Amino acid sequence: EVQLVESGGGLVKPGGSLRLSCAASGFTFSSYNMNWVRQAPGKGLEWVSSISSSSTYIYYADSVKGRFTISRDNAKNSLYLQMNSLRAEDTAVYYCARDTSPWGQGTLVTVSS
Amino acid sequence: DIQMTQSPSSLSASVGDRVTITCRASQSITSYLNWYQQKPGKAPKLLIYAASSLQSGVPSRFSGSGSGTDFTLTISSLQPEDFATYYCQQSYSSPRTFGQGTKVEIK
Repeated sequence: EVQLVESGGGLVKPGGSLRLSCAASGFTFSSYNMNWVRQAPGKGLEWVSSISSSSTYIYYADSVKGRFTISRDNAKNSLYLQMNSLRAEDTAVYYCARDTSPWGQGTLVTVSS
Repeated sequence: DIQMTQSPSSLSASVGDRVTITCRASQSITSYLNWYQQKPGKAPKLLIYAASSLQSGVPSRFSGSGSGTDFTLTISSLQPEDFATYYCQQSYSSPRTFGQGTKVEIK
């Protein structure tokens, strides 16, 4: 069974940092592009970042460019999102997704003083 | 960036109704269009990819059509489990923008 499990969310102060992880299982992780998508409370979906299967191509939303870094470790079947200089508007549930499907259950990031 | 505009933002329908949701891209995305369903507190679930291809395991009452800039998601006979929010997303180029969502509610 294909499974994606996010972790690393929590409460952080504005200006702080957090590293999200996404553990993948049930498929050949190294063959797939991966994405991070977020959803602020009561709001719609916002694509955050994508990384190609071998990390050759990386893309970011303008809203996080220069603050967030996506990476992956194909040996560990894991995807990461390093989030620095966090702002209140980064508060959201963060989902990892294998290309278009499936998605993980999400991890909540709350940025508040 | 490509803007995705869904309509309507919400709709009320009854079980058994035929429901149509539209999604318009600000420029041509050929057939690089996906549709997702999201229920409260759950992760989105892929319904349709490449504009008209049904994801494995998704009931055949869901269908997608369109190409270029105009796309449609149709639910042929609405079931109780279909009450949810639906999103389109273009996968033609980054940023892979989503529509604002369409909430389908019980009439």
